[in-house]
Amino acid sequence: DVKVTQSSRYLVKRTGEKVFLECVQDMDHENMFWYRQDPGLGLRLIYFSYDVKMKEKGDIPEGYSVSREKKERFSLILESASTNQTSMYLCASSAGTDTQYFGPGTRLTVL
Amino acid sequence: GQSLEQPSEVTAVEGAIVQINCTYQTSGFYGLSWYQQHDGGAPTFLSYNALDGLEETGRFSSFLSRSDSYGYLLLQELQMKDSASYFCAVRDIGGRRALTFGSGTRLQVQP
Repeated sequence: DVKVTQSSRYLVKRTGEKVFLECVQDMDHENMFWYRQDPGLGLRLIYFSYDVKMKEKGDIPEGYSVSREKKERFSLILESASTNQTSMYLCASSAGTDTQYFGPGTRLTVL
Repeated sequence: GQSLEQPSEVTAVEGAIVQINCTYQTSGFYGLSWYQQHDGGAPTFLSYNALDGLEETGRFSSFLSRSDSYGYLLLQELQMKDSASYFCAVRDIGGRRALTFGSGTRLQVQP
């Protein structure tokens, strides 16, 4: 069975903290993605990676960075968390592009 | 860029048929995908259409008309467990291997 795991289901951080969200997939997929999901806005792409050490900006990369040192792991980093980054963060992986497998999500609250 | 439009909410009764429409605007097009997301859950892949016509998978079918930039998801014999949000998505046309998602349609199935 395909599996994408995320390091935390719920996370509470303070403004200005550096935040790491981890995502691991066990399907040997080349492509990995980070989205944020907010009510009424659907899923918005933050960053994605199609190979180890490769990364590309999505639609809303500002305030975020990513790291992909190993094929199975894709990390999202909030360099200095702000309240407007309070959101649900979803990680996904895929072999191609159209069938993406999502993790359970991390609900991040920034106080 | 690309944009997708789908209704924000649809309500139907158990046993009925419901159609969720999606129109898209892209400068290039590869295919239309559909994802389902239950409250508190991760999005899961339902279907993908690259060519015109209807694709059927059990109670769910998906249709695409490339000339009309339009597709729909058809759910038959509705069950209470079909209450969820449904997202259409197009493969990104900017040369990047990523999906752009619509803002989602919340389906409420009533007894």
